[in-house]
Amino acid sequence: EVQLVESGGGLVKPGGSLRLSCAASGFTFSSFSMNWVRQAPGKGLEWVSSIGGSSSTYIYYADSLKGRFTISRDNAKNSLYLQMNSLRADDTAVYYCARENGGGRPADYWGQGTLVTVSS
Amino acid sequence: QSALTQPASVSGSPGQSITISCTGTSSDVGGYNFVSWYQQHPGKAPKLMIYEVSKRPSGVSNRFSGSKSGNTASLTISGLQAEDEADYYCSSYTSSSTVVFGGGTKLTVL
Repeated sequence: EVQLVESGGGLVKPGGSLRLSCAASGFTFSSFSMNWVRQAPGKGLEWVSSIGGSSSTYIYYADSLKGRFTISRDNAKNSLYLQMNSLRADDTAVYYCARENGGGRPADYWGQGTLVTVSS
Repeated sequence: QSALTQPASVSGSPGQSITISCTGTSSDVGGYNFVSWYQQHPGKAPKLMIYEVSKRPSGVSNRFSGSKSGNTASLTISGLQAEDEADYYCSSYTSSSTVVFGGGTKLTVL
């Protein structure tokens, strides 16, 4: 059974940093590209970033992040990460990791999400 | 990259059919056959319902179907059931190799 479990969310002050993790199981992690998608409270989904199965394959980010976020993965640990710096109030959201499966980046499995709250 | 345009809400009675539209540009929806649709119930993670415009993942009911014409994609749900009440999001691959979502549509089953 495919499982994705996010962790690392919490309360952080504006300007602070946070590192999210996503532990994957039930599939060959290195064979799949992975994504981070976020959802602000009461709002819609927003794609954040995508990374290829081998990190050197490709990495893409939403333009709105302006270099503040860094996606990475450790295939030996079956883990996906999102380093978030210079956090702002509008980064407050539930962050989901999702497995990408197919052309055009459809996400066929999602984690339960981890809440990041940026507030003083 | 601007969000794709979806109606804020749609509604229908049990057994009826509804269609949710998703309008983008030639740089996303119109340029690729890579439109996906997700269903999200309150407090839950999204679920993939349609990918590559009209393909259904294993386990998704054939009451859900997708199509595309030009810069507009559509999700049709036939034989509406109470459990279909949820938020629905479209997404598209873009010319920048990124993904853009629609603003979401709240489906109410009357």
